[in-house]
Amino acid sequence: DVVVTQYPLALPVTLGQAASISCRCSQSVVSGDGNTYLNWYQQRPGQSPRRLIHEVSKRDSGVPDRFSGSGSGTDFTLKISRVEAEDVGLYYCMQSTHWPTFGLGTRVQIK
Amino acid sequence: EVQLVESGGGLVRPGGSLRLSCAVSGFTFSGTWMSWVRQAPGRGPEWVAIIREDITETLYLESVKGRFTVSRDNAKNSLYLQMRSLRPEDTAVYFCVVGWAGDHWGRGTLVTVSS
Repeated sequence: DVVVTQYPLALPVTLGQAASISCRCSQSVVSGDGNTYLNWYQQRPGQSPRRLIHEVSKRDSGVPDRFSGSGSGTDFTLKISRVEAEDVGLYYCMQSTHWPTFGLGTRVQIK
Repeated sequence: EVQLVESGGGLVRPGGSLRLSCAVSGFTFSGTWMSWVRQAPGRGPEWVAIIREDITETLYLESVKGRFTVSRDNAKNSLYLQMRSLRPEDTAVYFCVVGWAGDHWGRGTLVTVSS
């Protein structure tokens, strides 16, 4: 299975400042159809995961534009341009090009 | 609005069985792959099983092969997960999820395997 490595595991941020989470896959997640099925999820305390970004950079419906995704091949990044209090929670990188696998998660907290 | 409501979780002894159900509404269930994903306490999610819209293909996490069976009833807009020979390491919240990429998730149902 593809191993997904996220870093950092914990990210203390100041409200209004930018935040960035990195994700590395153990092999390329470019699919045979040419698409890259790399997704980002947010999980707030006590809630189910919610998909924010699919196919590297496509924001899901209702997701604020302060969230953006980028990357290619095996290395990807989720950026939050200006962190708000409601952004506190766990963020997971996940690939679904192969059998779906998740990273361990990054805990975003306010300083 | 997409809604996914899981049921059937509970406490079961090692070696026991449970059947989870997921009632779906708000989209064309019969035209969509569906998945079960679990999340053990304090851990990240783990994909468990996937079923094609026409039931011609099912795929499983290696550690549940031969013990879990995913099925669906497109006439009833329902997804199921039959779990047998349960182990303590199967303890988790089980989520019903749309597709391969987790477009939408239910709230989950807790399965606890313990003596």
